[in-house]
Amino acid sequence: GEEVAQTPKHLVRGEGQKAKLYCAPIKGHSYVFWYQQVLKNEFKFLISFQNENVFDETGMPKERFSAKCLPNSPCSLEIQATKLEDSAVYFCASSQGSYNEQFFGPGTRLTVL
Amino acid sequence: AQSVSQHNHHVILSEAASLELGCNYSYGGTVNLFWYVQYPGQHLQLLLKYFSGDPLVKGIKGFEAEFIKSKFSFNLRKPSVQWSDTAEYFCAVNRGGSYIPTFGRGTSLIVHP
Repeated sequence: GEEVAQTPKHLVRGEGQKAKLYCAPIKGHSYVFWYQQVLKNEFKFLISFQNENVFDETGMPKERFSAKCLPNSPCSLEIQATKLEDSAVYFCASSQGSYNEQFFGPGTRLTVL
Repeated sequence: AQSVSQHNHHVILSEAASLELGCNYSYGGTVNLFWYVQYPGQHLQLLLKYFSGDPLVKGIKGFEAEFIKSKFSFNLRKPSVQWSDTAEYFCAVNRGGSYIPTFGRGTSLIVHP
């Protein structure tokens, strides 16, 4: 598609529940990035993919967060056993090349109660 | 670690006033610089970018930014703002060799009609 799509728009989970977020990059973009924005603060980089391969996961809290980009499927970001501090807006972005402009999706607002 | 500072967290202007939003970064090497805008309820959009060449960059909607290497700055300007410019503005910097942008915390601009 012409825009990065993210679903759902809003997600509410109780502490300890699982949360799964989806991102469909722009067609033809081979790089996907996930960011976390807590309370309108700066964007924290989580992970990036080049096609279905993890390109950089230096920002991922690995104990509860995982992500995938499989062929012919939306990319996903999953949080096992959510905590209150996971409440944030999660943005996905895609780009044609690693240094190119990133195009952002509308974000998924996760609220953990 | 590289940091990006946006000193103005909230700016309130009247229509037709001139705008300048500050952005400073701490990395001394080659950088790629971006300004993104997030209108209420919408996703991040690229306003303008600097990779190389003329340090005065023209973007969309009448915005421009000037890269001043000696000051490690990339300030955003618009000579005459409109009510529709009300939005969050984010500066982002890629250091040379890294494709992961570091974002500033954003500046909330409110333009009164």
